[in-house]
Amino acid sequence: SQELEQSPQSLIVQEGKNLTINCTSSKTLYGLYWYKQKYGEGLIFLMMLQKGGEEKSHEKITAKLDEKKQQSSLHITASQPSHAGIYLCGAAILSGAGSYQLTFGKGTKLSVIP
Amino acid sequence: GAGVSQSPSNKVTEKGKDVELRCDPISGHTALYWYRQRLGQGLEFLIYFQGNSAPDKSGLPSDRFSAERTGESVSTLTIQRTQQEDSAVYLCASSTGPFRGISYNEQFFGPGTRLTVL
Repeated sequence: SQELEQSPQSLIVQEGKNLTINCTSSKTLYGLYWYKQKYGEGLIFLMMLQKGGEEKSHEKITAKLDEKKQQSSLHITASQPSHAGIYLCGAAILSGAGSYQLTFGKGTKLSVIP
Repeated sequence: GAGVSQSPSNKVTEKGKDVELRCDPISGHTALYWYRQRLGQGLEFLIYFQGNSAPDKSGLPSDRFSAERTGESVSTLTIQRTQQEDSAVYLCASSTGPFRGISYNEQFFGPGTRLTVL
């Protein structure tokens, strides 16, 4: 089965600082999905990466999928308190019944200190 | 517009009791997913409904877990004879169509139900 490891598990940064979160897969990724989760709220879809070397940006958040397609990094520039939350990476897997489903890493908890 | 809603938001129950969790997907979304998120763990896929097709139950951890969906609307996840290890946040998501791996129909998540089994 495919496993996703995220690092770090938690991160505390000063407002205005840059940060990077990593997601490493035990198998080749055919689609990598970044989500953000806030307590009491549902997951918010950030972006999807498919091609090796692909890079996407959403406001101050940039994500890349490496050429070998087994690792993705999420980079936040000039962090703000609104960036605080849990960042989850997800990947497509084939379920036991043959449908595609998402498997997720354990998440990286980001705290931004004003 | 209205997003995915779940009820109750919190549920505390005693070991051995049955619980029922509800999910109202976004109107018109044919696909519906249930996930479980235990403390310190990633989200685990539980069950998937797509239209009128037979659900994909391959993620259900035991026969104490079951789920139903009426057409393309409300879904209920039932846990019988709850155990302490069932304590988790149960998340529901819906999407406009099936997830085909390469082409992604974005899954919209509800806020979850936090289940605590004493």
